[in-house]
Amino acid sequence: QVQLQQWGAGLLKPSETLSLTCGVYEESFSGYFWTWIRQTPGKGLEWIGEINHSGTTHYNPSLESRVVMSIETSRNRFSLELTSVSAADMGIYYCARGPQSIADRPIVDAFHIWGQGTMVTVS
Amino acid sequence: IQMTQSPSTLSPSVGDRVTITCRASQRITTWLAWYQQKPGKAPKLLIYKASTLESGVPSRFSGSGFGTEFTLTITSLQPDDSATYYCQQYKSDPYTFGQGTKLEIK
Repeated sequence: QVQLQQWGAGLLKPSETLSLTCGVYEESFSGYFWTWIRQTPGKGLEWIGEINHSGTTHYNPSLESRVVMSIETSRNRFSLELTSVSAADMGIYYCARGPQSIADRPIVDAFHIWGQGTMVTVS
Repeated sequence: IQMTQSPSTLSPSVGDRVTITCRASQRITTWLAWYQQKPGKAPKLLIYKASTLESGVPSRFSGSGFGTEFTLTITSLQPDDSATYYCQQYKSDPYTFGQGTKLEIK
């Protein structure tokens, strides 16, 4: 059974950088886009972006200027950095398995598997 | 693509049948998913491709629709179905979610 386990600092000061990592267990890591989604009081569930094994990324235009995703295929994990956080970034951040990656392109699919979530507070 | 759900809340009784509606601002064929979220938990996929039941999900849950109008139907409601339900389009990024429908079973 595939599992996603995420970790990272959940308490930040305004203007700091949020850093989260998600480990993938028992799955074909290279076959998918790996995704970050957040849930905030202001915008509800919001797709942040995705990355595949070759480092191809797609970001939500609303966050693109502050987001960097990276991947470590040898360790089956991927990471999110969100710079210059503010109170509007407070919420729960989830990693999830996104669509299949074929020829570096996402093949339409829902989010079948999610991490447990990380509560992020900015204060 | 904007996703709009209705109603925002429902208060049915055990054994009832409920329907939640989701409308997309653009045509998305059948690239639509439904999720169930309970407090303190990550969303759980129930239905994808508008009507395909995720493995392990009870057959009391069903989905339908095409284009811009979609529905999630739950029959024979159980107390465990109390949760918030979200639709999501994955036709094109940025993938977007509805605002949620809270189901409070009496």
